[in-house]
Amino acid sequence: AQKITQTQPGMFVQEKEAVTLDCTYDTSDPSYGLFWYKQPSSGEMIFLIYQGSYDQQNATEGRYSLNFQKARKSANLVISASQLGDSAMYFCAMREGKAGYSTLTFGKGTMLLVSP
Amino acid sequence: ETGVTQSPTHLIKTRGQQVTLRCSSQSGHNTVSWYQQALGQGPQFIFQYYREEENGRGNFPPRFSGLQFPNYSSELNVNALELDDSALYLCASSLGQGTANEKLFFGSGTQLSVL
Repeated sequence: AQKITQTQPGMFVQEKEAVTLDCTYDTSDPSYGLFWYKQPSSGEMIFLIYQGSYDQQNATEGRYSLNFQKARKSANLVISASQLGDSAMYFCAMREGKAGYSTLTFGKGTMLLVSP
Repeated sequence: ETGVTQSPTHLIKTRGQQVTLRCSSQSGHNTVSWYQQALGQGPQFIFQYYREEENGRGNFPPRFSGLQFPNYSSELNVNALELDDSALYLCASSLGQGTANEKLFFGSGTQLSVL
């Protein structure tokens, strides 16, 4: 079974609108972290936002927020007021609790295209 | 603050050859991870080095090997290249705190094509 599932291969949104990118995860570890990364065509993975399994509140970073629903094992990324520069691949990733071991498991990604 | 840099950016090899990819960590980071990203897929973990020792490995054969140097830069070596090794290889560095919220900082990758 896949540990990270992103069901939307591609999403279109108009500039200034909000968009939600879906992510569900699978783990039996009570301690885990969820990340979203953006990958523009240059290839570099850019960190956007983090949510810990024990965090009581949804994470926010500027225009990015994470809709964390623990019981449903979902961690959707919400981008408010989309900009043309937001066009990129977006990856959801999870780290399961192992001290000193920083590996992330990534989903297959969602391509976001923002139109004027 | 110096970011993660990788070299070369692009590489073309033939089946059976060997290749070495290089990565310079972000300043102050003692942990380096390598990921393979096939076309249309998310990155897959190859291995991780912490203070010059391999401390984690994904599901990759032994012909994928690595090194980390005292300055925490790193190399990924792939022997006996196969066509399926064609991918973007990403290097990521981190502080090595071992905490759940530890961020990985990625380079722009090396695009390897095996013909």
